Amino acid sequence: NAGVTQTPKFRVLKTGQSMTLLCAQDMNHEYMYWYRQDPGMGLRLIHYSVGEGTTAKGEVPDGYNVSRLKKQNFLLGLESAAPSQTSVYFCASSLGGKTEAFFGQGTRLTVV
Amino acid sequence: AQKITQTQPGMFVQEKEAVTLDCTYDTSDQSYGLFWYKQPSSGEMIFLIYQGSYDEQNATEGRYSLNFQKARKSANLVISASQLGDSAMYFCATLYNNNDMRFGAGTRLTVKP
Repeated sequence: NAGVTQTPKFRVLKTGQSMTLLCAQDMNHEYMYWYRQDPGMGLRLIHYSVGEGTTAKGEVPDGYNVSRLKKQNFLLGLESAAPSQTSVYFCASSLGGKTEAFFGQGTRLTVV
Repeated sequence: AQKITQTQPGMFVQEKEAVTLDCTYDTSDQSYGLFWYKQPSSGEMIFLIYQGSYDEQNATEGRYSLNFQKARKSANLVISASQLGDSAMYFCATLYNNNDMRFGAGTRLTVKP
C-alpha cells in the first residue's frame, strides 16, 4: 500500500541551483496537488493538476513549475532555488470532486 | 478572495473532555466541500472528516463531528472525549470549484492528562 510517495525526503540546495521533486501515486487518482508548509501559515497550494497533461496555478506558483506527463506522477521543479523556498513540500492526490486528498510524507527542502 | 480562517493558534483541553476547533471560510461558490485534517508531530497529514455544502446533516466520524453552519460560513470541528493522542495540529480545508483545495493556518491542540 504505497499510496503517495515523494522523492526525495530531504534535500539541501545552494541558491541558484535547480531540482525536481517527484510525486508518485498508485491509486489511479485524477487530481494531484503540490503544497508548501511554512511555520504559522498552514499549507499553501503551489500548483495542481486535474488530469494527465493538465496543470493549473495555485496560491503561490511563482518560482515553481510542474508537469503531469503521466497520470501517476506529478513533478515540481525549482529552476533557480532561493532561500525563500526553504519549506516542507507536500504532494497530495484525490479522486477529484468532493473527496479527500491523500498526502505524501513530505520533502524537507533547505536552500542555503 | 477565497479564504479559510482558523482563529485559534493554540488550544488546550483536559483529557476526556470535548473541544471545539473553529473554522470559517469565505466563498461565493454554491457547491463546495469542507475537510478537516490532523497533523501529528511526525508530520503526516491524516484526513478526519468531510462535509458537503448541500449535506443536510452534520458529518460525524467516531469521536469527530463537524458543526456546519452554512449561513455563518463556519465548519467547526468537535472532538469528544479527548485523548492524549489527539495532541496535534488541526487544519481546516475547503474545496473550491471541485478542483482547488485550500487550507487554513491550523490550530495546535494540546491534550492535558
